[in-house]
Amino acid sequence: NAGVTQTPKFRVLKTGQSMTLLCAQDMNHEYMYWYRQDPGMGLRLIHYSVGEGTTAKGEVPDGYNVSRLKKQNFLLGLESAAPSQTSVYFCASSYSRGIYEQYFGPGTRLTVT
Amino acid sequence: LAKTTQPISMDSYEGQEVNITCSHNNIATNDYITWYQQFPSQGPRFIIQGYKTKVTNEVASLFIPADRKSSTLSLPRVSLSDTAVYYCLVGDPRLPDQTGANNLFFGTGTRLTVIP
Repeated sequence: NAGVTQTPKFRVLKTGQSMTLLCAQDMNHEYMYWYRQDPGMGLRLIHYSVGEGTTAKGEVPDGYNVSRLKKQNFLLGLESAAPSQTSVYFCASSYSRGIYEQYFGPGTRLTVT
Repeated sequence: LAKTTQPISMDSYEGQEVNITCSHNNIATNDYITWYQQFPSQGPRFIIQGYKTKVTNEVASLFIPADRKSSTLSLPRVSLSDTAVYYCLVGDPRLPDQTGANNLFFGTGTRLTVIP
């Protein structure tokens, strides 16, 4: 099993550009999450999904959109990137809700100039 | 959501036992306590979870007193490879749900440095 994979690993965007981050899991998990991690801030939840076709807002959802068209994939979109969105983005999935064991991907380092 | 407080950083020598305490004074009846470990340039990794008393696995032990207002992660005989950030999470595992409620707050964690 590959676990949780994220594409791409690195990306540099100019302000105003758009992009989509892809998260894929092969563990048949119902729940998937997107976090961002900034120095001194810990991990903050952006959006999450409790099943295929469903999404919900987390702690810091503004400027991001998500979609869960297939159970194994969770996409994070930035429609108009801003420098404040420079961060490391982690995707995670879990079999159960909430803070039961979550499996994290390796992260995507995004820089917006 | 129960707010957690943990030390920002700790140092330990190789081979010693390390105890990291997390305070969560307003923990709710349905809340569980979960610890994650994160190495540089990697995503967090689940270590252990518990509700009360003591939980032990092959990696660590988790001690939770009767009042549950704090918990202690114990790492036996640490090695250099245990240098990482350790996060304490407290919350109701029934959440999040589609109403928007969520309890997935990692905070800033405790940076453990193991010294040779």
